[in-house]
Amino acid sequence: DAGVIQSPRHEVTEMGQEVTLRCKPISGHDYLFWYRQTMMRGLELLIYFNNNVPIDDSGMPEDRFSAKMPNASFSTLKIQPSEPRDSAVYFCASSRHDRANTGELFFGEGSRLTVL
Amino acid sequence: SQKIEQNSEALNIQEGKTATLTCNYTNYSPAYLQWYRQDPGRGPVFLLLIRENEKEKRKERLKVTFDTTLKQSLFHITASQPADSATYLCALTDSWGKLQFGAGTQVVVTP
Repeated sequence: DAGVIQSPRHEVTEMGQEVTLRCKPISGHDYLFWYRQTMMRGLELLIYFNNNVPIDDSGMPEDRFSAKMPNASFSTLKIQPSEPRDSAVYFCASSRHDRANTGELFFGEGSRLTVL
Repeated sequence: SQKIEQNSEALNIQEGKTATLTCNYTNYSPAYLQWYRQDPGRGPVFLLLIRENEKEKRKERLKVTFDTTLKQSLFHITASQPADSATYLCALTDSWGKLQFGAGTQVVVTP
């Protein structure tokens, strides 16, 4: 398997623009997580899905952020409008929970977002 | 509120010695606790998982302990090597599958 695939790897945009980050989880995984990492705040959980259903979005900073998972192989995180304080590395991760698997996360390489 | 605390100061250690990292948590009833390694510019990589009813887990030169009374986990790297230099993250999972991370501790192993 290719692992968790995120795109784009780097995004530079101007304040006010819409940003869409994409994630393809590992096939067969039933959980998908979106995290944001900054030096100041570390790795923050934004939202996670189970079987494509959002379970907890309490980490989403504000209404400018939205996430969707239309099917088991694709998720998006959208920021509209973007602000300079949204600059961070955004990670997607997936996991599988069953008797043989205990839910360890597999991370993508991250999307580094810079909002000018 | 739920908190996961790791030592924010970097741990500098000489090659061959044992590095010990601490993870403390409050207001949590974790189903299990995980440790990850993160290298600069990369996503975290899973290392070890320990369940709430387990006291200790080992994997090669790594050892994790879990004390639910103290609400603490210790992570040991024995016979440390320069290649072990990285940031190590503690993560807690609740019974609904929600996984949250501590801020991480940087380990620097010098030859």
